[in-house]
Amino acid sequence: GQNIDQPTEMTATEGAIVQINCTYQTSGFNGLFWYQQHAGEAPTFLSYNVLDGLEEKGRFSSFLSRSKGYSYLLLKELQMKDSASYLCAALDSNYQLIWGAGTKLIIKP
Amino acid sequence: IAGITQAPTSQILAAGRRMTLRCTQDMRHNAMYWYRQDLGLGLRLIHYSNTAGTTGKGEVPDGYSVSRANTDDFPLTLASAVPSQTSVYFCASRTGDTGELFFGEGSRLTVL
Repeated sequence: GQNIDQPTEMTATEGAIVQINCTYQTSGFNGLFWYQQHAGEAPTFLSYNVLDGLEEKGRFSSFLSRSKGYSYLLLKELQMKDSASYLCAALDSNYQLIWGAGTKLIIKP
Repeated sequence: IAGITQAPTSQILAAGRRMTLRCTQDMRHNAMYWYRQDLGLGLRLIHYSNTAGTTGKGEVPDGYSVSRANTDDFPLTLASAVPSQTSVYFCASRTGDTGELFFGEGSRLTVL
């Protein structure tokens, strides 16, 4: 079956760095998305990786290893506004998105 | 402002009633989706449409129906609502197979 695993909740300190991991098993693979979702709001796009390696975008970076079925989202210089859920989603062979349940990130002062 | 509009944003509904959630996009995206989001379960696909005139079933289609008469509109209908359909519903669209999803603001539905 198809499956996405990510931690349910993580806690980090303002100003620090946090890495949110995601492992996936899908029928075929056409890329990996990360979305951010603040409480009570819609998800918003953060990144898309289809090739192995690290993609950096400001304070946020996303890494993909296709051979390991693994991705992570790295958040640097954490701010209180980064408190949100982070959703990992893999694109399968039919270009359908398979979603993880999300990781709730709590930032403490 | 270009994007996706959902209506209503919130609704309380008696069990057994019929309800249609509206979704309109002005980005001319071919593909549109309806998801429900429940605590601890993440986003689950209800129905999708790859282009106007076609629809498909997602992971949890039972009790729901959709139509796609044109590119812009993708309404979701609950023919006879049940309490287990209490959820937050998100409509989304994307431009191509690997394009990012754009989400509407969500419709919070409570079925009593």
